[in-house]
Amino acid sequence: AQSVSQHNHHVILSEAASLELGCNYSYGGTVNLFWYVQYPGQHLQLLLKYFSGDPLVKGIKGFEAEFIKSKFSFNLRKPSVQWSDTAEYFCAVRSHFGNEKLTFGTGTRLTIIP
Amino acid sequence: KAGVTQTPRYLIKTRGQQVTLSCSPISGHRSVSWYQQTPGQGLQFLFEYFSETQRNKGNFPGRFSGRQFSNSRSEMNVSTLELGDSALYLCASSWTGLAGLNEQFFGPGTRLTVL
Repeated sequence: AQSVSQHNHHVILSEAASLELGCNYSYGGTVNLFWYVQYPGQHLQLLLKYFSGDPLVKGIKGFEAEFIKSKFSFNLRKPSVQWSDTAEYFCAVRSHFGNEKLTFGTGTRLTIIP
Repeated sequence: KAGVTQTPRYLIKTRGQQVTLSCSPISGHRSVSWYQQTPGQGLQFLFEYFSETQRNKGNFPGRFSGRQFSNSRSEMNVSTLELGDSALYLCASSWTGLAGLNEQFFGPGTRLTVL
């Protein structure tokens, strides 16, 4: 069975600090990987996705993530955070050859202090 | 293009009642998935429908059921509500349902409170 671990439950940073949120998954086959963001009062939005190819993927709002297959990791990074990045971030995985079931991590709440 | 819509946005029910939630996918999308979001369990997959057929099901009791209509709209039903069913129920749609080719788009959710 697939599983996703997000070890950071709550991260507090000051504006302009660099961000890295950890995501590790457990699955034996080829995977698709996603980071979703949920801003306060808003619905889940896709930040970025990895299907295949270049393991360094760039998403919206300056976010990027690196897929390291040997470590089963897909960490999210941003070099300089803004107050507007305050939100909850979810890592998700699914089988590349399967159907639509996404397995989510428990989420990381990010608070940016102005 | 309009996004995924869910109705109603908020619901309050009492234990033992049943509830039906509705989801309209993005136009042209044929796959609809449902998720339950709670503070304790996070986001958990309920089931997925494609072309009116349930293709995948999560680990939820039989009180949770769903269906999809020919226009791809989907409904989810929970019977004999329990306090633990209080959650945000999210619907997501995608185009082909072929996992390796597309992404899911989420709706705003229906907030269900069971008293």
